[in-house]
Amino acid sequence: EVQLVESGGGLVQPGGSLRLSCVGSGFTVRNSWMSWVRQAPGEGLEWVANVEPEGIEKYYVDSVKGRFSISKDDARNSLYLQMNSLRVDDTAVYFCVGWSTENIWGQGTRVTVSS
Amino acid sequence: DVVMTHSPLSLPVTLGQPASISCRSSQSLAHSDGNTYLDWFQQRPGQSPRHLIYQVSKRESGVPDRFSGSGSGTDFTLKISRVEAEDVAVYYCMQRSYWPHTFGQGTKLEIK
Repeated sequence: EVQLVESGGGLVQPGGSLRLSCVGSGFTVRNSWMSWVRQAPGEGLEWVANVEPEGIEKYYVDSVKGRFSISKDDARNSLYLQMNSLRVDDTAVYFCVGWSTENIWGQGTRVTVSS
Repeated sequence: DVVMTHSPLSLPVTLGQPASISCRSSQSLAHSDGNTYLDWFQQRPGQSPRHLIYQVSKRESGVPDRFSGSGSGTDFTLKISRVEAEDVAVYYCMQRSYWPHTFGQGTKLEIK
């Protein structure tokens, strides 16, 4: 079965950090554009970041620039999102998304930023 | 940023009847490479989003042919020819022609 599995979410205080991970199974991260998309409680989808297949060009929504960093490890077939200086409004389910011959979404990992 | 606007936001439909969702962008999504990067996603309750349509009208593998996409420039439409119970979901358009990529606010389809 082709899938992406996220991990690393949890409860963190404002100003804290978290690192989200996403591992591909049956899906090759190496050859794919990869994204993180988030969904705040009861809200719609928000694109957060993209990385191109070579892992060099990276793009971010303005609200996370300078705080979040997307990266990939082809050897581990994995995608990461390093999140620093977290704010209450970063609270959301974070989805890992792969763009190849098909578009694959993970099940999401929940991040809660609260004191 | 490109703003994507859905209408309607809520869509009650009778089983077996057609449904149509509109998505309008604040600027043309025609890319300099000649393509238009407009996607549609379906998110059923409690599930991750599912990719339905890319480049306006191309169906993702496995998507039933009752789903179709159309449009150009700034105006796009997702149509369901005959609504089934499993189509109850929130539908999102998304543009990938510009950075940052942006989603519409979604249209919630429910059975009347």
